[in-house]
Amino acid sequence: AQRVTQPEKLLSVFKGAPVELKCNYSYSGSPELFWYVQYSRQRLQLLLRHISRESIKGFTADLNKGETSFHLKKPFAQEEDSAMYYCALVHSGNTGKLIFGQGTTLQVKP
Amino acid sequence: EAGVAQSPRYKIIEKRQSVAFWCNPISGHATLYWYQQILGQGPKLLIQFQNNGVVDDSQLPKDRFSAERLKGVDSTLKIQPAKLEDSAVYLCASSFGPNTEAFFGQGTRLTVV
Repeated sequence: AQRVTQPEKLLSVFKGAPVELKCNYSYSGSPELFWYVQYSRQRLQLLLRHISRESIKGFTADLNKGETSFHLKKPFAQEEDSAMYYCALVHSGNTGKLIFGQGTTLQVKP
Repeated sequence: EAGVAQSPRYKIIEKRQSVAFWCNPISGHATLYWYQQILGQGPKLLIQFQNNGVVDDSQLPKDRFSAERLKGVDSTLKIQPAKLEDSAVYLCASSFGPNTEAFFGQGTRLTVV
């Protein structure tokens, strides 16, 4: 079964500290993975997708097929990074259906 | 750019009552999704439309949930009768096509008491 696991419900760091939000997946074949973010009182929005291999707001994520992971990283956390982060993969049916993890709340303290 | 519009934003109903949610996707987006997000969980797809046809409704509880997308634009999601476990945020999303970026609405928070 295709599944996304985010083991941490809450990650709390101080401003300027490195951040790593963990994501593991279960998928047969070549997955397409995403990170979505939801800031307070805003709608869910795409942060980055592994295919584009770009850095958004200082965040990067590398797909590790051996470890079936897609961890989100940022070297220096900012207070405005505080939000809910969801890891997701596209269902193998290629319909665009997203399978989400449970989400991790990132809290960046001043 | 206008985003995905949903209404109402909040709804409180008693169990066994019926409720309907409305979604207006971004203009030109052929694909429309309804997700259910229960507190503490990630969104789960209920139904996906491509224009006015259903692509995937495998996780839609069809004994009580129904959805339509007449004319391939706006969509409504209905629950009849509601159960306590239907309390959740219902998210609508749209995209140009099945494998392009999906844009989400603000969601409708349903509380069933």
